[in-house]
Amino acid sequence: DAGVTQSPTHLIKTRGQQVTLRCSPKSGHDTVSWYQQALGQGPQFIFQYYEEEERQRGNFPDRFSGHQFPNYSSELNVNALLLGDSALYLCASSPGQGGWKTQYFGPGTRLLVL
Amino acid sequence: GENVEQHPSTLSVQEGDSAVIKCTYSDSASNYFPWYKQELGKRPQLIIDIRSNVGEKKDQRIAVTLNKTAKHFSLHITETQPEDSAVYFCAARRRGSSNTGKLIFGQGTTLQVKP
Repeated sequence: DAGVTQSPTHLIKTRGQQVTLRCSPKSGHDTVSWYQQALGQGPQFIFQYYEEEERQRGNFPDRFSGHQFPNYSSELNVNALLLGDSALYLCASSPGQGGWKTQYFGPGTRLLVL
Repeated sequence: GENVEQHPSTLSVQEGDSAVIKCTYSDSASNYFPWYKQELGKRPQLIIDIRSNVGEKKDQRIAVTLNKTAKHFSLHITETQPEDSAVYFCAARRRGSSNTGKLIFGQGTTLQVKP
């Protein structure tokens, strides 16, 4: 049983560019959350997708957008990259929304913006 | 606003000693409190969690306690081993129909267990 997977593992971009990160949830999970983890900090919630819709959003600008596909996989898109977007981007999946549902994290995509 | 404060930021103990990490949350509507362990370069992994309807939970050498009145919860690791060395994050999540699982994380505690 594969856990949460993410691609790519590492990415280098320049300011102003756009990036797409991908996440495949754990088998049996239909909900995907995205987090940004800056160096030395705890993860910060970006948004969550369920039934192909964004259900909740954290304090991130509209430059951050996402999508969920019918197979429950998800993409995170960041436009007009800034130096401050350099971070580890984590995807977490869970079997359904909220409640007591445990979130399982993927290995992350490390993004460096130059 | 929603906030989770975690202390200490770093903790160094001798192998075999106990380690305690404390977190305080601001949102009284929080009802779920997981702890994650993150080794260098790896994903956060859930090690234990507690719901607001219980005050304590144990799993072998790990325990978590919750004080809803004071809005704080703690992670206790007994008989520490070198492989316990990692960054530990506490988190909180609020109940309610508007909640879809947003976790609010603390800043993390770097635990070093010296052999």
